[in-house]
Amino acid sequence: QQQVKQSPQSLIVQKGGISIINCAYENTAFDYFPWYQQFPGKGPALLIAIRPDVSEKKEGRFTISFNKSAKQFSLHIMDSQPGDSATYFCAASRRTGNQFYFGTGTSLTVIP
Amino acid sequence: DGGITQSPKYLFRKEGQNVTLSCEQNLNHDAMYWYRQDPGQGLRLIYYSQIVNDFQKGDIAEGYSVSREKKESFPLTVTSAQKNPTAFYLCASSIGWTGGGEKLFFGSGTQLSVL
Repeated sequence: QQQVKQSPQSLIVQKGGISIINCAYENTAFDYFPWYQQFPGKGPALLIAIRPDVSEKKEGRFTISFNKSAKQFSLHIMDSQPGDSATYFCAASRRTGNQFYFGTGTSLTVIP
Repeated sequence: DGGITQSPKYLFRKEGQNVTLSCEQNLNHDAMYWYRQDPGQGLRLIYYSQIVNDFQKGDIAEGYSVSREKKESFPLTVTSAQKNPTAFYLCASSIGWTGGGEKLFFGSGTQLSVL
């Protein structure tokens, strides 16, 4: 059973546009929600993360929006650039747990 | 540069053969992990280790084995019991085990294919 559901599977955005990737979870015990960025042939790297005590976190062009009541969180990439073309994974974990649960990934392509 | 080194980058396994994937880190991290990545399935945890000489099964441990004899090394053996081993394997580490909320540092992965 997929603990974290991610959509869309793929996304094509024009340069300068906004990329939005959504994730949903069921386990209310989750309390840490990171996003990882992966380029082809490389391992994922942490992009940005949020805890449920805030509804939004922004780092540069990247923003996480968190809706605790809906058990959803999303990644927004403003002013998308061709260099942002990568696969993005959301994840969730809990402070007393023992592993991260990853979404199935979104392949983002930013067209010049 | 500190980081995680996985080798080889590409590996081919013959029928009935065991193969070992190497993972070395010089970050002085206590915790290490092995994930399997298949297209459209995200990352799934195979094994993790919180400390030297200790490791735990993840969600898909069947057909795999690990050892943690040194803090910096966490090799993964894909045994002949793993009937569908073709995948991209990722090793990761984190500073310590607090039960979540830790930043994972990943290696560049090993692509394993069956001949």
